[in-house]
Amino acid sequence: KAGVTQTPRYLIKTRGQQVTLSCSPISGHRSVSWYQQTPGQGLQFLFEYFSETQRNKGNFPGRFSGRQFSNSRSEMNVSTLELGDSALYLCASSLRSQSGGSSNEQFFGPGTRLTVL
Amino acid sequence: QQPVQSPQAVILREGEDAVINCSSSKALYSVHWYRQKHGEAPVFLMILLKGGEQKGHDKISASFNEKKQQSSLYLTASQLSYSGTYFCGTASSSGNTPLVFGKGTRLSVIA
Repeated sequence: KAGVTQTPRYLIKTRGQQVTLSCSPISGHRSVSWYQQTPGQGLQFLFEYFSETQRNKGNFPGRFSGRQFSNSRSEMNVSTLELGDSALYLCASSLRSQSGGSSNEQFFGPGTRLTVL
Repeated sequence: QQPVQSPQAVILREGEDAVINCSSSKALYSVHWYRQKHGEAPVFLMILLKGGEQKGHDKISASFNEKKQQSSLYLTASQLSYSGTYFCGTASSSGNTPLVFGKGTRLSVIA
């Protein structure tokens, strides 16, 4: 079974630009979560999508948005990039169900390394 | 709220043991443990659920004290391959709540 894939793997942008990152979950997984990872801060939860609906959102500004398509693939978008947005962005898919599923393991993709200059 | 992990970093020699702790200020339903090697994605190690159920690798052991909202990961007879950053993720209910991860514990095993 193919794992979680993320594209692109590396991205360099300048302040003020916008960026779109893509995540393809493991086949059959309907839940996709996004995390921002920076040195010393661990994994900061951005949002979770399930069946094309955002059902959880972390404490990030509105510049961070996402969506999920009918095939469960997900994209996240960051508009008006700031230097502090430089990070590794990880997506994870799981078998979380409609009603929840915090007992399901998450499978992480390799991440997209975003550098904002 | 983000769970607190301790220690922040630890260095071990091969064969030594280590304990990594994860505490939360909220009542917990589940605790997840993941390991991330440098430049790689986090990899699932174990889930501990309220009520005592555990899912994960046979060679990894962990505990979950529901009353204290704490979990500990036990690494025994460490090997070089154990090196990496260990993250705990916590969920406050069985339902529709996201995992909140700690800042991680960096473990280095040296020969």
